[in-house]
Amino acid sequence: QVQLQESAPGLVKPSETLSLMCNVSGGSFTTYYWSWIRQPPGKGLEYIGSIHSSGSTNYNPSLKSRVTISIDTSNNQFSLRLTSMTAADTAVYYCARIHPYYYGVDVWGQGTTVTVSS
Amino acid sequence: QSALTQPPSVSGSPGQSVTISCTGTSSDVGGYDRVSWYQQQQPPGTAPKVIIYAVSNRPSGVPDRFSGSKSGNTASLTISRLQTEDEAFYYCSSYTNIYTLVFGGGTYLTVL
Repeated sequence: QVQLQESAPGLVKPSETLSLMCNVSGGSFTTYYWSWIRQPPGKGLEYIGSIHSSGSTNYNPSLKSRVTISIDTSNNQFSLRLTSMTAADTAVYYCARIHPYYYGVDVWGQGTTVTVSS
Repeated sequence: QSALTQPPSVSGSPGQSVTISCTGTSSDVGGYDRVSWYQQQQPPGTAPKVIIYAVSNRPSGVPDRFSGSKSGNTASLTISRLQTEDEAFYYCSSYTNIYTLVFGGGTYLTVL
């Protein structure tokens, strides 16, 4: 069965860029939407954006100016870049698979904690 | 996009039923049958698990005590025959008219 595993940058300094990668194993990479979702401490889930296996992207309007999601289908990986990090970006970041039919998350990565601090 | 509206908390006793609402707009919940529900157990940072997809469908392995429905701009999750292990956070999500996903703010279920 498909498994997702995020890389773990841990600590990012204010104003720097967050780079995360998600490795996908055990399933088909095509057809699905591959997404990033985050959860600040004590708060709810926030959709960051997604990329289809074809390469088309969609982003949360509130983050769109700072987000880039890319895909590497040959290595079954997709990545997140989030620029100009601030303390408000401190969160658990999940990579996730979105089903193309009902557009809900059917597979989650385990999540990686990102802390923004100098 | 604005977060979908969920009650912050609900509670019930073992054996009872509870319903959690998820209210959006015609641009998300009301416009598409693409509402999902997720259960997130403690501790914080534990990955959520889908329990309902496409409004009312249960993935294999999810007990039939969990059911979903939708009316207009509001989706609902009903948990019947409550068990102590149902105590968790519950989140809804919906596809939107700008091709994104939006989540509800989350509801904590306490089983008394």
